[in-house]
Amino acid sequence: EVQLVESGGGLVQPGGSLRLSCAASGFNFYTSWMSWVRQAPGKGLEWVANIKQDGTEKYYVDSVKGRFTISRDNAKNSLYLQMDSLRAEDTAVYYCVRGGWFSDLWGRGTLVTVSS
Amino acid sequence: EIVMTQSPATLSVSPGERATLSCRASQSVSSNLAWLQQKPGQAPRLLISGASTRATGIPARFSGSGSGTEFTLTISSLQSEDFAVYYCQQYNNWPRTFGQGTKVEIK
Repeated sequence: EVQLVESGGGLVQPGGSLRLSCAASGFNFYTSWMSWVRQAPGKGLEWVANIKQDGTEKYYVDSVKGRFTISRDNAKNSLYLQMDSLRAEDTAVYYCVRGGWFSDLWGRGTLVTVSS
Repeated sequence: EIVMTQSPATLSVSPGERATLSCRASQSVSSNLAWLQQKPGQAPRLLISGASTRATGIPARFSGSGSGTEFTLTISSLQSEDFAVYYCQQYNNWPRTFGQGTKVEIK
């Protein structure tokens, strides 16, 4: 089955760190740009970061630059998002998605809550 | 950053009727425009890319049109499963940006 499964979300204090993971299956992960998209509770969608197939190109939305790092391990069919210096406004469901332009495959998401 | 503006915010439609949703970009995005559907508690689902190309498995009642800065999603005859929030998304420039969404509700 073609799917993406996120993990690693949870409650973290402001200024803390969290690492999200995404396990891909059912397709050739190493041929796909991959991205993270987030959605704050009751709000719209925000494209956070994307990464090229070989990891040599990465792009970030301004609001997370210098704090978040996207990476991948093609041998493990996995995508990651290291989130440091977390703020309350980073609270959201984080979706792992296939594609760097638009996405035809979304995971179910993992909730990150930043609160003291 | 390209700002995507959707209208209306909420659209009340009876089952079987046509729904027309609009999306405007703050600058040209050519045809690099996608439409997504999101139901409560679910991840978004791709409906259309390239402004008018339906994704795999999407029914023909969904159609997209437009280019440049003005885009339209039309649902020709609303079914019960179509009541949801719809987002447009441009992928012409980085960062990719979404509209704020149009909620299609039962009239």
